[in-house]
Amino acid sequence: DIQMTQSPSTLSASVGDRVTVTCRASESVSRWLAWYQQKPGKAPKLLIYEASSLESGVPSRFSGSGSGTQFTLTISSLQPDDFATYSCQQYNSYSSATFGQGTKVEIK
Amino acid sequence: QVTLRESGPALVKPTQTLTLTCTFSGFSLNTSGLCVSWIRQPPGKALEWLARIDWDDDEYYSTSLKTRLTISKDTSKNQVVLTMTNVDPLDTATYYCARIRAVYYYDSGRYHGAFDIWGQGTTVTVS
Repeated sequence: DIQMTQSPSTLSASVGDRVTVTCRASESVSRWLAWYQQKPGKAPKLLIYEASSLESGVPSRFSGSGSGTQFTLTISSLQPDDFATYSCQQYNSYSSATFGQGTKVEIK
Repeated sequence: QVTLRESGPALVKPTQTLTLTCTFSGFSLNTSGLCVSWIRQPPGKALEWLARIDWDDDEYYSTSLKTRLTISKDTSKNQVVLTMTNVDPLDTATYYCARIRAVYYYDSGRYHGAFDIWGQGTTVTVS
């Protein structure tokens, strides 16, 4: 199975900061990578699909990049509503899906 | 509007069989490219994909759990059911169902899709 590793596990930042979260796959997943935002007690919400495509309704301060084994989620200017946990997920393998362990973005 | 809602027992005893139901609206699982998956999240831990059923009745399971899982659909009721046998306290988690809107890509020759709509989740404790 493909393993997904995120870094860092926790990130402390302030409102207005530029934030970057990294996701690495154990083998190439091409561009089949999604990012989700999850708040405590809530279901994950799709932010980015196909590595860099913004889901409808998601603010443009969120962006994704990468291909193969290295991917990045960037928040250009962190807003109060953005403090949450972010998870990557590969869907290159048609018969399975794998999530990263999550990155918690907390208030500095 | 697409919605999914999970239901099932909140408490299950070890060794019992857990049955979870995902009731959805706003789409049909007979439509090409649409799939429903089950995903779980133990308290304070990462998301774990469990199983998926596709519009064409294909089924896929987590390698580590495949001997304990069965996924099925009832398109007339707009429901997907997941059964997990021989549950253990390690199966304590919030269980989510989620839709995939898979698209066929000619460059890869396969369908691909992320989890675009999620249910609110149902919490299951094994004790």
